[in-house]
Amino acid sequence: GENVEQHPSTLSVQEGDSAVIKCTYSDSASNYFPWYKQELGKGPQLIIDIRSNVGEKKDQRIAVTLNKTAKHFSLHITETQPEDSAVYFCAASGSRILTGGGNKLTFGTGTQLKVEL
Amino acid sequence: DAGVTQSPTHLIKTRGQQVTLRCSPKSGHDTVSWYQQALGQGPQFIFQYYEEEERQRGNFPDRFSGHQFPNYSSELNVNALLLGDSALYLCASSADIGTGNSPLHFGNGTRLTVT
Repeated sequence: GENVEQHPSTLSVQEGDSAVIKCTYSDSASNYFPWYKQELGKGPQLIIDIRSNVGEKKDQRIAVTLNKTAKHFSLHITETQPEDSAVYFCAASGSRILTGGGNKLTFGTGTQLKVEL
Repeated sequence: DAGVTQSPTHLIKTRGQQVTLRCSPKSGHDTVSWYQQALGQGPQFIFQYYEEEERQRGNFPDRFSGHQFPNYSSELNVNALLLGDSALYLCASSADIGTGNSPLHFGNGTRLTVT
C-alpha cells in the first residue's frame, strides 16, 4: 500500500520568514495530494490540494509543488504569522478507478510548525 | 452552512465495552469516511461509506464496523474495546464526483479514552 513520509517533524521559524515542509510517497498511482492544518483540539482543516496533472498551485501565502518523477511534494508558507502555528499533515490518494471508487487518504506523520515573534 | 459534526466530543469507556460514535456530513456531501488518530500521529483510514455501503476499508479488525443512513449520516461502532483503541476518531465527508478525488472535510472528532 501507499506510504507517505513527512519531514521535518518540528519546524521553528521567525515571524515573516518562510516555512517549507516536504513529503514523499511510494505509490506511483497516487494522483491527489492535499495538505491539512490541525490546531489543538480540532480536526484537520484542508488548506490546499494539488492533482497529479499540475506541478504547482498557489493560494495567497501558501503554495504546493509536486514532482511526480521523484514522487515528492512540498508545502511552502511565506510571510509566516503566529496564527500559522499548528500541526501540518500531507496526504496522498490513489486513483478511484483502482480502488473501486474509494478515495482513502494516506497521511504523513505531521510537522509541528511554531512561528516565533 | 454546518460543516461536519460529530458526537459525542469526549467519551470514556472500560475495556471490553462497546461504543458508537456519530457523524453528520457537510451539507451536499454523500460520502463519509472514518479515521483514527493516535496521539502525535497522522490519521489512519478505517473505512468509507457511500450509498449506505462500505466502499473501502483500511487495515482495522472486524471489531470496527459502521453504518450509513439514507440521510448520509454515519455511525462507527467498536466492539470489545482495548486500551489501544484510545484515540481521536475523525469523521470526514466528501461529495462523490465520478472518478475524481474530491476534497475531504473533517469534523473535530470524538476523543475516546479506554480505561
